[in-house]
Amino acid sequence: EIVMTQSPATLSVSPGERATLSCRASQSVSSNLAWYQQKPGQAPRLLIYGASTRATGIPARFSGSGSGTEFTLTISSLQSEDFAVYYCQQYNNWPALTFGGGTKVEIK
Amino acid sequence: EVQLVQSGAEVKKPGESLKISCKGSGYSFTSYWIGWVRQMPGKGLEWMGIIYPGDSDTRYSPSFQGQVTISADKSISTAYLQWSSLKASDTAMYYCARLDILVPGAFDYWGQGTLVTVSS
Repeated sequence: EIVMTQSPATLSVSPGERATLSCRASQSVSSNLAWYQQKPGQAPRLLIYGASTRATGIPARFSGSGSGTEFTLTISSLQSEDFAVYYCQQYNNWPALTFGGGTKVEIK
Repeated sequence: EVQLVQSGAEVKKPGESLKISCKGSGYSFTSYWIGWVRQMPGKGLEWMGIIYPGDSDTRYSPSFQGQVTISADKSISTAYLQWSSLKASDTAMYYCARLDILVPGAFDYWGQGTLVTVSS
C-alpha cells in the first residue's frame, strides 16, 4: 500500500498570507495525485488533479505542484473561506486509492 | 447537474445489519465508477471500495474487504454500502463519490454523507 504523509498537521496562517501544504508518497505516484478541501460539516471538494490541474470552478489562488513522491498545494492569498482541512490522495496504484492524513489550515 | 444523494442518518445496535444508499442523477450512472469513503469522528478520509454500475465490477480496499459489501442497482441509479453485523467501530460518516471519467482516480462529485452511529 502506498502511504501518503501530509505536513504539517496544522498550519496557522493570517488572511491574505500564502499557505504551503506538503504531501509525500512512500513510493512514486508519478503525477497521479489529487487534493481535496473539506470544511466542517461538509463533504470534501476536489481542488486539484494530475498534481497541478485545477478542477472546474476552483480559483486560481489554488495551485499544485510536484511529481514522484513530493507534492505541494499552495494557496497564494488565503481568504476566509479557505480555512479548512486539506487532503491529498494518490491514484497511481488504482484501484488502491489512498488519502493522506490531512492538514488543517487555521486562522492565525 | 450532477448529484449524489445519500440516505439519511442511521442509529443501530452492535450486531445489526445496515444498508445505506447513494442515488446518482444528472449523468450516465452506468458509465462512472462510484466509491465509498469512511470518515471516523475527528479523523481523515479512508477509501473503502469502488463499483462500476455498468457491470457491477467491484474493488475493495484490503482494509475493508470482507467487512462490507458494495453493490449497485443500475435500474434506479443507486449504489449501496452494507454491513451484515455492525460494530461500534463502524460509527462514522460515510460518503459516496464519483470517480472522474477522464481522471479515474479522482473523486469529482461527492454525496452529502450518511452518519452511521452504532451504540448499545
